[in-house]
Amino acid sequence: EDQVTQSPEALRLQEGESSSLNCSYTVSGLRGLFWYRQDPGKGPEFLFTLYSAGEEKEKERLKATLTKKESFLHITAPKPEDSATYLCAVQAGTASKLTFGTGTRLQVTL
Amino acid sequence: DVKVTQSSRYLVKRTGEKVFLECVQDMDHENMFWYRQDPGLGLRLIYFSYDVKMKEKGDIPEGYSVSREKKERFSLILESASTNQTSMYLCASSFLGEQYFGPGTRLTVT
Repeated sequence: EDQVTQSPEALRLQEGESSSLNCSYTVSGLRGLFWYRQDPGKGPEFLFTLYSAGEEKEKERLKATLTKKESFLHITAPKPEDSATYLCAVQAGTASKLTFGTGTRLQVTL
Repeated sequence: DVKVTQSSRYLVKRTGEKVFLECVQDMDHENMFWYRQDPGLGLRLIYFSYDVKMKEKGDIPEGYSVSREKKERFSLILESASTNQTSMYLCASSFLGEQYFGPGTRLTVT
């Protein structure tokens, strides 16, 4: 059974204080690892797809990396508008469905 | 931009009622999904569809059914709503594994 574990559950940062969120996974035949951002009361918003170990993707203050066992979402010099829940998901084998982690709730304060 | 719309943002129904949640996507995607999201449990897949009139059970299909008569439209049906089906329901469509979500329907069953 595919498993995705995200840590920490919650993270509070001051504006400008860089940090990383972790997503560890156990799957048979990873086809893709996905990062989403979710604001309260809204649907998840797609951020990145990573396909193979060593791959990196960047968007503004966010950078996602992938190894054979985990992915990191690095947040550089965060701003209050980066506050959200960040979700990680994996697609494995021949399935079209995703398995999601429970997310990291990020709060960035002034 | 991919657009996924859901018929209602908020819905209140009584126990035993039949409930229809509708989802429409405008990108001609073949795959569509229904999830529910609950605190501490994350996103859980209820049903998905990979083509018109085709459907597959997800991880928690009990108490739900689906309908896909047209490619752009995927409906979730609660045959007889119960209080444990109070949740946030999210629809998604996907292309190359990347899932794009609607805004969600917060359903309360009283």
